[in-house]
Amino acid sequence: AQSVSQHNHHVILSEAASLELGCNYSYGGTVNLFWYVQYPGQHLQLLLKYFSGDPLVKGIKGFEAEFIKSKFSFNLRKPSVQWSDTAEYFCAVNGGSQGNLIFGKGTKLSVKP
Amino acid sequence: SQTIHQWPATLVQPVGSPLSLECTVEGTSNPNLYWYRQAAGRGLQLLFYSVGIGQISSEVPQNLSASRPQDRQFILSSKKLLLSDSGFYLCACQGGTEAFFGQGTRLTVV
Repeated sequence: AQSVSQHNHHVILSEAASLELGCNYSYGGTVNLFWYVQYPGQHLQLLLKYFSGDPLVKGIKGFEAEFIKSKFSFNLRKPSVQWSDTAEYFCAVNGGSQGNLIFGKGTKLSVKP
Repeated sequence: SQTIHQWPATLVQPVGSPLSLECTVEGTSNPNLYWYRQAAGRGLQLLFYSVGIGQISSEVPQNLSASRPQDRQFILSSKKLLLSDSGFYLCACQGGTEAFFGQGTRLTVV
């Protein structure tokens, strides 16, 4: 069955530190990959997505992710985090039997001012 | 783009009480709609999906049910809540391969 693994449950960083959140997936078909973010008290929103082409994808708010097909990975990165990046981050892949996305368990990011 | 309205944002209900969570969609017609749940320490799990009015499919056996009385309305219900029904419930609309989400309902069954 398709699955998505996010390696870190909770990451705590100081402002200006660099961020990398791991995401690995298992899916045999053509993949579309997503990172969603949920800020405190807000709804899930799309951060970035990969469908095809350049494996380095740039999203909103300075985030980027790199699709490495050989490693089945789609890690999220940001060179310098801000306090406002405090949120929960979800990696997702297409591949559900009903056309739905399959999500990882999420990584909570806390950025200390 | 689609906008998903979901309410209430938080809910505390006693065991054995009924549940009704409502989700409405704006900005699209005939959407595919989904209910997800996130239990503590787990990912978003698909509970129900619907491709049209009155068409509901369930992914996992459970204490909950769903209905779609109108094209852009999706309701999650239970006749008698269990403690294990506690969690964070999200309604989603999928346009193409991208999903749009409501703000979610945090349900605590006490």
